[in-house]
Amino acid sequence: DVKVTQSSRYLVKRTGEKVFLECVQDMDHENMFWYRQDPGLGLRLIYFSYDVKMKEKGDIPEGYSVSREKKERFSLILESASTNQTSMYLCASRSPVGNSPLHFGNGTRLTVT
Amino acid sequence: AQSVTQPDIHITVSEGASLELRCNYSYGATPYLFWYVQSPGQGLQLLLKYFSGDTLVQGIKGFEAEFKRSQSSFNLRKPSVHWSDAAEYFCAVVASGGSYIPTFGRGTSLIVHP
Repeated sequence: DVKVTQSSRYLVKRTGEKVFLECVQDMDHENMFWYRQDPGLGLRLIYFSYDVKMKEKGDIPEGYSVSREKKERFSLILESASTNQTSMYLCASRSPVGNSPLHFGNGTRLTVT
Repeated sequence: AQSVTQPDIHITVSEGASLELRCNYSYGATPYLFWYVQSPGQGLQLLLKYFSGDTLVQGIKGFEAEFKRSQSSFNLRKPSVHWSDAAEYFCAVVASGGSYIPTFGRGTSLIVHP
């Protein structure tokens, strides 16, 4: 079974802090994704990566950046956390075949105070 | 660009009753279609998927979904709901050409009464 591991389940940070959310997958998947989940809004794509050192902006990239130095790891960075970035963050991976499903981590619930 | 609509934000059913969750998509060709389930505090898990062929697909946990091209729909069904089915359900669409980036609906929250 594919395992996608997000390093923290819960995180509390202060406004203005730089925040790193880490995601590791063990299935050698080329594609990795970061989504944000908010009540009533579903999942919104922040960034995705087709392969190592490749990244593409999703629908809501403002205030975020990403890093993909190794195939198994995809990091989401909040350069200067703000209260409106309080949310559930979900990482997912997938093989590059178009009809492959996403495999999700359990999420990181981030609170910015 | 493709889009997905899940018209029901919440659905409440009694345990043992049948269930249908609606999903409509907008895309010019036949997309790849998925249903995911999210239990409280968890990530999303794939229930089933449709690419081509038989329009009725079976998934895990007793769920099935039917693709209807004429209605641009991919509704999820279960004949008898269990209390453990209470969760959030997401429909997702992937365009069959291009970047293959999934688009998710806003989700339907299923509440199961004993």
